[in-house]
Amino acid sequence: DVKVTQSSRYLVKRTGEKVFLECVQDMDHENMFWYRQDPGLGLRLIYFSYDVKMKEKGDIPEGYSVSREKKERFSLILESASTNQTSMYLCASSFYKTGKNTEAFFGQGTRLTVV
Amino acid sequence: AQKITQTQPGMFVQEKEAVTLDCTYDTSDQSYGLFWYKQPSSGEMIFLIYQGSYDEQNATEGRYSLNFQKARKSANLVISASQLGDSAMYFCAMRNTGFQKLVFGTGTRLLVSP
Repeated sequence: DVKVTQSSRYLVKRTGEKVFLECVQDMDHENMFWYRQDPGLGLRLIYFSYDVKMKEKGDIPEGYSVSREKKERFSLILESASTNQTSMYLCASSFYKTGKNTEAFFGQGTRLTVV
Repeated sequence: AQKITQTQPGMFVQEKEAVTLDCTYDTSDQSYGLFWYKQPSSGEMIFLIYQGSYDEQNATEGRYSLNFQKARKSANLVISASQLGDSAMYFCAMRNTGFQKLVFGTGTRLLVSP
């Protein structure tokens, strides 16, 4: 079974803190994605990566950075957390191609609250 | 730019009836894939069905089918014989074959009543 694991289910951080969200997948997927999910706004792509050390901005990258030093691990970094970054964060991974059996698999999500 | 539009924030259907959830997309690429996911209240994302841009037939997976109209850039999900367990958020998504960005719509909340 494909597994995408996010390091924390719930996280509470203070404004201004540096926050790391970790995601690990075990299917040797090339692609990894970070989204935030807010009511009424769906899943918005923050960053994605199609290979080690490669990263691409998504639709809302401001205030975030990412790191992919190993194929299986993709980290999301909030350089200086702010209250408007309170959200559910979802990590996903997929193969680098389209076609049947190339769907993305998701982690369980991290509910981040910034106070 | 890639974009997915889901215009129905909420839909209601009675058990055993069929329901169509709308999805339109925008891309300048010719090769892409379209995906539908279900997110129950538990929060997990469950993959339902895939349609490739070059697939000649509409995709089907059990009670799910995808009404793919390429010229209109629409990829509607049809759920036949709705069940109470189908109550959930449904998301449409697209990924281009070249640039691997995977984008989602805002979702449709489906409520199935007895």
